[in-house]
Amino acid sequence: TQLLEQSPQFLSIQEGENLTVYCNSSSVFSSLQWYRQEPGEGPVLLVTVVTGGEVKKLKRLTFQFGDARKDSSLHITAAQPGDTGLYLCAGAGKRASGSRLTFGEGTQLTVNP
Amino acid sequence: DAGITQSPRHKVTETGTPVTLRCHQTENHRYMYWYRQDPGHGLRLIHYSYGVKDTDKGEVSDGYSVSRSKTEDFLLTLESATSSQTSVYFCATGLAGFTDTQYFGPGTRLTVL
Repeated sequence: TQLLEQSPQFLSIQEGENLTVYCNSSSVFSSLQWYRQEPGEGPVLLVTVVTGGEVKKLKRLTFQFGDARKDSSLHITAAQPGDTGLYLCAGAGKRASGSRLTFGEGTQLTVNP
Repeated sequence: DAGITQSPRHKVTETGTPVTLRCHQTENHRYMYWYRQDPGHGLRLIHYSYGVKDTDKGEVSDGYSVSRSKTEDFLLTLESATSSQTSVYFCATGLAGFTDTQYFGPGTRLTVL
């Protein structure tokens, strides 16, 4: 079983602060996705990283895939209340029966005005 | 948005009764997925479909069955609901398998008493 551990599980910060969320595994993934989920809704894809060491930016969000493709991080600069939500990482890995997507438990982020 | 709807959005049922959840998509996506989301476990794959009448098991398939008779509809059935199946169920669709973007529906909150 491929496991993804996210940390921290909960994060409460003030508007304007920076933060980093981590997604770690002992398994190698062919790609890794980050989703954001708001209360009462389904997750929405933010980004997919594919290459080891890859860095992608989405406005104030920076995503990095580890060189060994076992871990990833999400950094938010100058957080805003609109960033509040559950952030999920999901790794795509190869199995004999085909690829599967494994989700981490998520990081619940609250940005206070 | 991939035009994914789920019905019902909320359901309360009793142990031992059969329950069917419906996922409907308007995007003609080949792949459809059923996940459950529980505190401490994140999103876990129940079953998925890679075409009409083509389905496969996920990591938590016991007690669940699925059917896909049309591209646009994917049904999840709990043959005899148990309290451990109380959860939020999400349907997702995608064009090209697990490594591709998954578009999630709004979820169904199921309570089994």
